[in-house]
Amino acid sequence: GQSLEQPSEVTAVEGAIVQINCTYQTSGFYGLSWYQQHDGGAPTFLSYNALDGLEETGRFSSFLSRSDSYGYLLLQELQMKDSASYFCAQSGGYQKVTFGTGTKLQVIP
Amino acid sequence: DVKVTQSSRYLVKRTGEKVFLECVQDMDHENMFWYRQDPGLGLRLIYFSYDVKMKEKGDIPEGYSVSREKKERFSLILESASTNQTSMYLCASSSGGASTDTQYFGPGTRLTVL
Repeated sequence: GQSLEQPSEVTAVEGAIVQINCTYQTSGFYGLSWYQQHDGGAPTFLSYNALDGLEETGRFSSFLSRSDSYGYLLLQELQMKDSASYFCAQSGGYQKVTFGTGTKLQVIP
Repeated sequence: DVKVTQSSRYLVKRTGEKVFLECVQDMDHENMFWYRQDPGLGLRLIYFSYDVKMKEKGDIPEGYSVSREKKERFSLILESASTNQTSMYLCASSSGGASTDTQYFGPGTRLTVL
């Protein structure tokens, strides 16, 4: 099946900017989504990229480069509440979505 | 707001028992999904359904079956629970006919098989 690679853990300082990378397989690729999951909570949708470029939603931005099979989530002005796991997810057609293994972000004071 | 509910937050079963996990969504979504989440492995798709009585295998269907008799309800069945099925189970739903649609997740059921 498809597999996505992302770092397992990232630590960043409150107020800083952090980038979480994701590489994916090109076979049957439709687009790349990002989800946030706090400990004990359900994943919630953050953003989706189908075309190359940057999508901005408040403090969060997501980028896609189809030629490089690569995307990233950019979190600006980090807040303590941003400490969570972040998953990239590849849409592969016919309702099927494959999730990455997740990046645990720890924001420190 | 879309609401996806799961029948139990925590469940403890014994090896060999038949286990039913129920999921209900209230937004008339066509697509429903069952995932399991394990540390270091992310979310892995077990089964999904794009219409009533329709089902498709995901990446790890072995040991599981599903039922979708009504549009709003999607059940995951463990015919004979085993200890390696101890996990967090997440249900999700999405609208439309494309896999690009946002998935809305339930709170999850943490299943322990003894």
